[in-house]
Amino acid sequence: SQKIEQNSEALNIQEGKTATLTCNYTNYSPAYLQWYRQDPGRGPVFLLLIRENEKEKRKERLKVTFDTTLKQSLFHITASQPADSATYLCALDSGNTPLVFGKGTRLSVIA
Amino acid sequence: GAVVSQHPSWVICKSGTSVKIECRSLDFQATTMFWYRQFPKQSLMLMATSNEGSKATYEQGVEKDKFLINHASLTLSTLTVTSAHPEDSSFYICSAIGQGGEKLFFGSGTQLSVL
Repeated sequence: SQKIEQNSEALNIQEGKTATLTCNYTNYSPAYLQWYRQDPGRGPVFLLLIRENEKEKRKERLKVTFDTTLKQSLFHITASQPADSATYLCALDSGNTPLVFGKGTRLSVIA
Repeated sequence: GAVVSQHPSWVICKSGTSVKIECRSLDFQATTMFWYRQFPKQSLMLMATSNEGSKATYEQGVEKDKFLINHASLTLSTLTVTSAHPEDSSFYICSAIGQGGEKLFFGSGTQLSVL
């Protein structure tokens, strides 16, 4: 069956450290993968998109990698700040259907 | 950037009443909008795809007669939860596809509580 797994429900890290979130998928062949940020009681906000032929994408303190062999994406936040505390969702293109989302990882950055 | 406005932000209603949620694209035309439902600590679950001027496409297990979707213009889609029951209490979020057809822009969500 098809699955998207974000293997940590919650992640706590110290301010200034790099947070690394993982997204694994099975039985999908996505053309691209996206990461969103969701704050409590709010809709998700788009952060980054990475295509199947791209290994890495960066935007300010964010970095995303995409390994289609491992069927995995890693999402990094460097020099993390308390304001980065939120739930981060990965989502992938499943072909003809709309984006499919993982359950998310709730990141807490502790000052 | 593209802005999607969703109202109301929260609503409390009695069991058996109907609730309408509006989703508007403010600075772009959205021929396609999506409605999601999210339970606490769960993933966004797609309920239906709303296409302007045509019937919505519902995901398996979603009752189309209970969750009425209308997409009468390029900037407005509505979701009506008919005869709401406590088990319909959830966070409902709409989204629209931006230019390029890849990124989704989400509304701020509606927390529905049915008593």
